Amino acid sequence: GDSVTQMEGPVTLSEEAFLTINCTYTATGYPSLFWYVQYPGEGLQLLLKATKADDKGSNKGFEATYRKETTSFHLEKGSVQVSDSAVYFCALMDNQGGKLIFGQGTELSVKP
Amino acid sequence: DSGVTQTPKHLITATGQRVTLRCSPRSGDLSVYWYQQSLDQGLQFLIQYYNGEERAKGNILERFSAQQFPDLHSELNLSSLELGDSALYFCASSVEWNSPLHFGNGTRLTVT
Repeated sequence: GDSVTQMEGPVTLSEEAFLTINCTYTATGYPSLFWYVQYPGEGLQLLLKATKADDKGSNKGFEATYRKETTSFHLEKGSVQVSDSAVYFCALMDNQGGKLIFGQGTELSVKP
Repeated sequence: DSGVTQTPKHLITATGQRVTLRCSPRSGDLSVYWYQQSLDQGLQFLIQYYNGEERAKGNILERFSAQQFPDLHSELNLSSLELGDSALYFCASSVEWNSPLHFGNGTRLTVT
């Protein structure tokens, strides 16, 4: 079945460092891809999405490009802030009902 | 604020008991999804409803059931509770089956 694999955390960075969180997927067809962020004590918030190959999703300085050839959707940010500390989830939406299949999440901790 | 409301925020109960979690989707959203988040299993899809009808089923135990009412709110019923059912339960909603999901802040269930 469909699945998503993310790099394991926690990831600890200094403020203004470059961030990459790797995400690869296995799916039949061409699913839509998402990044969600979960701040402590809160629900998941949609960060960005891409619906077809070579699409780039972007929001709040974060970017991810849908790479069909490598089945990847890596999350990047050029300069992280302390306020970016959270858990980041990569997800795909299956083509049969619209449910999201999530990766295991990657915890990011940004130090001042 | 995602617009998805979940009640209660916290629930503490004993093994063998039954609880009901409630979700009000965003105004206009027809699809409701339930997810379970635990440390060992991550985010697991339980069940999806669309306009009152069950649309997809995931890793939902037979002790668990759900429904979506005519006013589109949904309830997740958990019975014969076990210690291992302790988790965060999230509800999400979307406009259509292939639209991004918007999550509530979850109900934290503790079974003692």
